[in-house]
Amino acid sequence: GAVVSQHPSRVICKSGTSVKIECRSLDFQATTMFWYRQFPKQSLMLMATSNEGSKATYEQGVEKDKFLINHASLTLSTLTVTSAHPEDSSFYICSARDSGGAKNIQYFGAGTRLSVL
Amino acid sequence: DAKTTQPPSMDCAEGRAANLPCNHSTISGNEYVYWYRQIHSQGPQYIIHGLKNNETNEMASLIITEDRKSSTLILPHATLRDTAVYYCIVRVLYGNTGKLIFGQGTTLQVKP
Repeated sequence: GAVVSQHPSRVICKSGTSVKIECRSLDFQATTMFWYRQFPKQSLMLMATSNEGSKATYEQGVEKDKFLINHASLTLSTLTVTSAHPEDSSFYICSARDSGGAKNIQYFGAGTRLSVL
Repeated sequence: DAKTTQPPSMDCAEGRAANLPCNHSTISGNEYVYWYRQIHSQGPQYIIHGLKNNETNEMASLIITEDRKSSTLILPHATLRDTAVYYCIVRVLYGNTGKLIFGQGTTLQVKP
């Protein structure tokens, strides 16, 4: 299947700092990318949908000023967690939809584990 | 998108077929059934999807009932590496409304 690369895989930061997570579709173009968050022993929760060249659409309860999403090209989306606090510690997973493929499948990155001290 | 119901957990003996059920009684005519799995601490992996016909690929088979209200994912010869959480999701194929919304899934434990 298609490859979605997510970087970094793990990050530890101090409270109050900002963290940027990159998500790249390596062998396909993705006009739509998604960001999820997963807490321990829970399922994935969709945070936002980003469309290339336009503003992201955030799910209810997700602070758009805290979780900044940029989808500047057809292969790259970034999530910036601004002024991170310990409660933001979680597993963040990006996903990209292969809009050029007939099956329109959504592929996932390996995830980024964020720990805020 | 329609909701799905899956058993929270299942066991399967290594080498045997694993049959994972999913109920989606409110599925709409244009919604597909997707299956993903998540191995511990990794991102979800696409397995298979279908609309109304049975589907098979190198990983699994998907059996969808004629009324489309339920489906079964079949792993023909389960191995220890198939231990994971399996998610059944329904969504439209195209369009901005086609978001993958994850439920709690089924934790499949393959035992030697």
